[in-house]
This record gives sequence, structure tokens and C-alpha cells, in this order.
Amino acid sequence: AQSVTQLGSHVSVSEGALVLLRCNYSSSVPPYLFWYVQYPNQGLQLLLKYTTGATLVKGINGFEAEFKKSETSFHLTKPSAHMSDAAEYFCAVSLIGGVGSNYKLTFGKGTLLTVNP
Amino acid sequence: DAGVTQSPTHLIKTRGQQVTLRCSPISGHKSVSWYQQVLGQGPQFIFQYYEKEERGRGNFPDRFSARQFPNYSSELNVNALLLGDSALYLCASSFGDRTNTEAFFGQGTRLTVV
Repeated sequence: AQSVTQLGSHVSVSEGALVLLRCNYSSSVPPYLFWYVQYPNQGLQLLLKYTTGATLVKGINGFEAEFKKSETSFHLTKPSAHMSDAAEYFCAVSLIGGVGSNYKLTFGKGTLLTVNP
Repeated sequence: DAGVTQSPTHLIKTRGQQVTLRCSPISGHKSVSWYQQVLGQGPQFIFQYYEKEERGRGNFPDRFSARQFPNYSSELNVNALLLGDSALYLCASSFGDRTNTEAFFGQGTRLTVV
């Protein structure tokens, strides 16, 4: 079984400051890892994903994340926060399945990012 | 192109009633998944359908059921509603059935059970 832990349910940064949202996962096999963003009263939008290959993954809106197998982590960063980044962020994990396997994302509880002017 | 569309957007039901939520995937997408998001929590997987076949089911009671139609749209049914079923129900569509293909989420249906 897989699980995700997001450290910090609420992170507050100043505009222009570094954004760091933490995610640790538990998985018995190499996982696929995702970060999603959710704006109020909206669905989820994919920011970035790690499946295979390069461990540093770049996503939309200047976000990036690094897969660290030894630390079972997939932290999300952005060098300079913008007011428009204020939203809830979810880390998710999925196991790599074979043909006919199901498609199941297991989400963390989310981190609410507040950006102060 | 239209994204994933869900209907209705909001719904209020009474305990014990039954509800049907609808989802239309992005054109060309054959996989539809349903998630429940309780306030303050991350989404929880309910079902996945691919090519009209159930591929997975989360840890939800039998009161929850779903189906996928030949046009790949999907319905989620919940019987005998409980107060705890109040949540945002999200539908996600993807082209393939694997998690290395991107899932696109709809805006959700906000269900309130009173």
C-alpha cells in the first residue's frame, strides 16, 4: 500500500520568497509522484509529475520538484512566490502497474499556501 | 476543447436519499476516475473505469456504485445517503489507464447531505 505525508497543513510566505512544500511518501515499489494545485471552488490541476528518468522535474508556473529515493521525498519548490500562487497543493503517489492494473492516485491531506504582499 | 464537465455543480439531499452525479470526459479520453474530497482532506479514490470496465475500487461501501457508457461518460450513484457523504466529488479523465498519462479533473460536484 502507498501513502503520502505532507508536512505542514499551512505554509505562509512573502511575495518573492522561496516556496518549499514538503512531501514524503511510502511505497513498496518505485512510485509515480505528482503535485496538484487546487484553487478555491475548482478541481485539481497537475503541476508536475515524476514517472521515470531525471529526478528533477520542472512543471508549470515555475514550480519544480526533486525525487529523492533515499529520503522517500518529493518536495515542491519555487524560487520566488507570486500572489497568484496562493492555493492548496496536493502531493500524490501512484504505484506503477502492469497491463490492466488500476489507476489510483493516493493524495496527501494538502498544504494551503498563503502569499503575503 | 471542452475540459472535463461535471453536473450538477451543487446538490443538496436529505439523509436516506439517493443521488446520481454525472461526468463527461475530455473528447478521446477513455478512462474516468471518481474521487471524494471531504472538507480539509485530500481526494480519496472511489472508482476507475476504462473502456467501460471497472478497473479499480477504493475503500467505499456498496452504497457507492458507478458505470461508464459507450460514449465514455460516467455516472456515480450513492444510495442511502449519510451526513458523512457530504463532500466534493471529483471526476478525472485520461487517455490511457495508467498513471503515467495525465489525469484532468473537473470542477467537481459539491454534495451536501442534510
